[in-house]
Formats: sequence, structure tokens, C-alpha cells
Amino acid sequence: GEDVEQSLFLSVREGDSSVINCTYTDSSSTYLYWYKQEPGAGLQLLTYIFSNMDMKQDQRLTVLLNKKDKHLSLRIADTQTGDSAIYFCAESGNRKLIWGLGTSLAVNP
Amino acid sequence: GAGVSQTPSNKVTEKGKYVELRCDPISGHTALYWYRQSLGQGPEFLIYFQGTGAADDSGLPNDRFFAVRPEGSVSTLKIQRTERGDSAVYLCASRLGVNSPLHFGNGTRLTVT
Repeated sequence: GEDVEQSLFLSVREGDSSVINCTYTDSSSTYLYWYKQEPGAGLQLLTYIFSNMDMKQDQRLTVLLNKKDKHLSLRIADTQTGDSAIYFCAESGNRKLIWGLGTSLAVNP
Repeated sequence: GAGVSQTPSNKVTEKGKYVELRCDPISGHTALYWYRQSLGQGPEFLIYFQGTGAADDSGLPNDRFFAVRPEGSVSTLKIQRTERGDSAVYLCASRLGVNSPLHFGNGTRLTVT
């Protein structure tokens, strides 16, 4: 069946780069998304990539897509304490969006 | 409005009571979704509307849950005979089209005591 997997935790030092990884199973996914959720808040769309692209860059964010391996990553350059949150990967399977469990990013001063 | 609006932001109710949760999507977004999120989990799909009709309600956990979108805009999620296990954050999202990103509201935190 459809599934999205992410590592649950990541800890980095302020100023370093963070890389959050995600694997998915539905090869028919058209779009893949990254959402950010801060404590007590809703889900904020960070960025998304169309499945025929390999890379998308948006300021400090870089999304890499390896469609052959069904692997998606989010790189945050110069990570700041305000980047501490849970990051969800989602794929646009079957119109419902299939979600990972989220990666909790902790940024240490 | 500028974003998806959900009311109330918090709801505390007693076991067995009926609750209604409201979602006001982004203007012009024809697709509307309800999700539920428990602590430490990703969003769990409940129901999806395209226009006024429920295109997919396969995520509703049982017949105590029902949702409507009578005019193709505002939607109400209704939960009858609430149980403690219904406690969660209920998220609403809307999108312009099937391949557009979902835009979420801040959710309604439901606590059943």
C-alpha cells in the first residue's frame, strides 16, 4: 500500500545545515510536499516539488527528489532556532495526501 | 479570507455530547479536506469534498462522524455521542485543484472529558 517514512528526530547546531529525509512508495505521485508544524500550531506549507523535477531551491530550502529510489530530502541551510519544529513529508497519492509521521528538528544554540 | 479559518480554536466537551466544528476555506478553493491529528502522529484523513459533495468519506472512523458542505464553501464536521478517544486536533484544509498544495487552518483542539 501507500506509505511515507521519515526518521523521527534530528538535532543540529545553530548555523549548520539540516537534512531531513523521506521515502515514499507511490510512484504515481504527482507532487511531493514539505510541511512545517510548530508546537500548538497548524501545518504550514514550506515547499513542494513536481515529480518531473530533481531539485527545487527556495531561499534557505533545497528539495532534492530521487524518483528512481522514491527518496525526497529537505535541506535547510544556516539552520536557526526558529526552524525548530516538526517537518512532515507528504505525497499526493489518490487525492488524499499520504503523510509521514514527521521529523522533529531540534536546533541547539 | 486570507487563509483557512477554523472555529472554535479549542473545544472542551463531556463524553456523550454532540459537537460541531466549522471550517471556512480559502475563497475559490473547491476542494476541502478534514484531517485529525493526535499527539506525535501525522494527519489522519477523514473526508474530502469537491464542491458540495463528499468525494471520499472513507476516513470517517464510524457513523458518529458526519460532515457537510451545503453551499460548496463552509464545512461543518459533526460528532455525535463524543468519546474520550475522539480527543485530537481536527484540521481543515483547502486546495484550488487536485494537484495544488493543501493549505491548512490552525485546527480545532477537541478535548472530551
